[in-house]
Amino acid sequence: EDQVTQSPEALRLQEGESSSLNCSYTVSGLRGLFWYRQDPGKGPEFLFTLYSAGEEKEKERLKATLTKKESFLHITAPKPEDSATYLCAVQAPDNFNKFYFGSGTKLNVKP
Amino acid sequence: GAGVSQSPSNKVTEKGKDVELRCDPISGHTALYWYRQSLGQGLEFLIYFQGNSAPDKSGLPSDRFSAERTGGSVSTLTIQRTQQEDSAVYLCASSLGPQGNRGYTFGSGTRLTVV
Repeated sequence: EDQVTQSPEALRLQEGESSSLNCSYTVSGLRGLFWYRQDPGKGPEFLFTLYSAGEEKEKERLKATLTKKESFLHITAPKPEDSATYLCAVQAPDNFNKFYFGSGTKLNVKP
Repeated sequence: GAGVSQSPSNKVTEKGKDVELRCDPISGHTALYWYRQSLGQGLEFLIYFQGNSAPDKSGLPSDRFSAERTGGSVSTLTIQRTQQEDSAVYLCASSLGPQGNRGYTFGSGTRLTVV
């Protein structure tokens, strides 16, 4: 059973065209939801942690929000350098050492 | 060092051979993790080390996989009798505290290809 599902798998935007990425999760008793950015040939880079429904975090053109069933990563007026794969992860409820990662959304921002 | 260092960056090996992958975490980070990333799939947890505690090996897919961490620093992931399904990017990460609640710092990974 998938614990974390991300959509869409891929997203193409024009520079300046705002949009949102979705991460839905099925774990109970969420301890934390994490967003990472991954560039080709690199390891994921930590962006945000969200702990409770209603929480929001922002960093430059990115804003992450959390509800009881899903999280959104909103990208406002994206630039080509925002092109990357965005990964979402949740902490496993039965093993706090382990995180379940989604397959990611590959974002391509065209100039 | 400034970041998590992994070596080699690429490894091609013949089916049935053993391989060793190395991870050098950020100095002072007590927690170290190994994940595997297969094409089109999410990261898969393999093993977790925290300080001098016994490692959490619950994610290792078979007894062909093992890992150790010497002196609370460098870690080596060993895969014995490699199979084609072992082909993936193996990522190491470290964090300042346990359970990575403030996010992990990942290395760039070792791309393993078993032919």
